Amino acid sequence: DSGVTQTPKHLITATGQRVTLRCSPRSGDLSVYWYQQSLDQGLQFLIQYYNGEERAKGNILERFSAQQFPDLHSELNLSSLELGDSALYFCASSVDLRHEQFFGPGTRLTVL
Amino acid sequence: GQNIDQPTEMTATEGAIVQINCTYQTSGFNGLFWYQQHAGEAPTFLSYNVLDGLEEKGRFSSFLSRSKGYSYLLLKELQMKDSASYLCAVPRGGSQGNLIFGKGTKLSVKP
Repeated sequence: DSGVTQTPKHLITATGQRVTLRCSPRSGDLSVYWYQQSLDQGLQFLIQYYNGEERAKGNILERFSAQQFPDLHSELNLSSLELGDSALYFCASSVDLRHEQFFGPGTRLTVL
Repeated sequence: GQNIDQPTEMTATEGAIVQINCTYQTSGFNGLFWYQQHAGEAPTFLSYNVLDGLEEKGRFSSFLSRSKGYSYLLLKELQMKDSASYLCAVPRGGSQGNLIFGKGTKLSVKP
């Protein structure tokens, strides 16, 4: 158990819908990262927050957005869902930007 | 550009030693990470190298050569539970935290 929690564990929805994935970092970690993992693409970095502020953006679509709240938990919002958005979404946290990242168990999103 | 290459699959025998290679190209360098990922589970941190040389941690060791853009993960005394994917990752453009992952090497350990 990494100490990072993610909810929900599984999510099944339809194309065109909007969902919110939630992440609570390890106690004391200020930095949160979101990743998407699909079978053909591997683990892709989406976005990074540090102490409430966006720090870096990766391959994140405009239909996706995220935020980190004052209590340091984070949410990833996915809208206008497409079949290709089906993937495992991982949240990770680290104490600061220089140290190893600890991953949550992931949310498996299925878009039908 | 930024790129990470790893073999797609490897097979080894229980009790043996296996070396998983990783080559990388990055515009800056701020360390290299190895993660283990069992199917359907979260990646777990194995090692971090920022200086050249070998870092040993129990049955696992990781080596880095910055001049060659090369790293390897060495697994000794293989156990069946070591069957997993092994991911090599570097911070993008020498940044901190923003990791680029290789596609992973799927290791199968056979009895």
